[in-house]
Amino acid sequence: GAGVSQTPSNKVTEKGKYVELRCDPISGHTALYWYRQSLGQGPEFLIYFQGTGAADDSGLPNDRFFAVRPEGSVSTLKIQRTERGDSAVYLCASSSDPNYGYTFGSGTRLTVV
Amino acid sequence: QKEVEQDPGPLSVPEGAIVSLNCTYSNSAFQYFMWYRQYSRKGPELLMYTYSSGNKEDGRFTAQVDKSSKYISLFIRDSQPSDSATYLCAMIGTDKLIFGTGTRLQVFP
Repeated sequence: GAGVSQTPSNKVTEKGKYVELRCDPISGHTALYWYRQSLGQGPEFLIYFQGTGAADDSGLPNDRFFAVRPEGSVSTLKIQRTERGDSAVYLCASSSDPNYGYTFGSGTRLTVV
Repeated sequence: QKEVEQDPGPLSVPEGAIVSLNCTYSNSAFQYFMWYRQYSRKGPELLMYTYSSGNKEDGRFTAQVDKSSKYISLFIRDSQPSDSATYLCAMIGTDKLIFGTGTRLQVFP
């Protein structure tokens, strides 16, 4: 596609539930990133994929968070046992050369009630 | 202390003003510096990138990097109401972008 697509755009879930957030990157981009952005803050790094493998997952806050990219294209961020503190906008980005910037999607706004 | 510091604003200026946005950073390994613009409920979009120290100009926008002071700036000339957004500085050292908090800019007619 022309840009990075994220679905759903909004997700409301109850505390304790499991959620999956999907990212469809720009075709041909081998690098894919997940960030989390809270209100009034800049995006915070979660995880980076180069191809199918997670090259850096140092930003995942705890073991409730997990991400996959099985075929080197679409990625899914999975959050187990959601907590109210997980409420944020989850941004996905992809890049062909990270030194020249990423292209971001519009994000998934997750609200845990 | 955060790796990248940015005044969150808000910054409110009249149309036509020159706007100066700034960030400081602590990691001397940062080599690539970027500015992103983010409109409400949208993802960040890349405005400009600069490698190492120096200036780069693109239309009404000028980015400056001073590595010796660990200080970067974005200047917007002849600001327009459509420039009203949050501006995020970002920089990369190894494998990922680190962002500032973002400065909210409001340009009023």
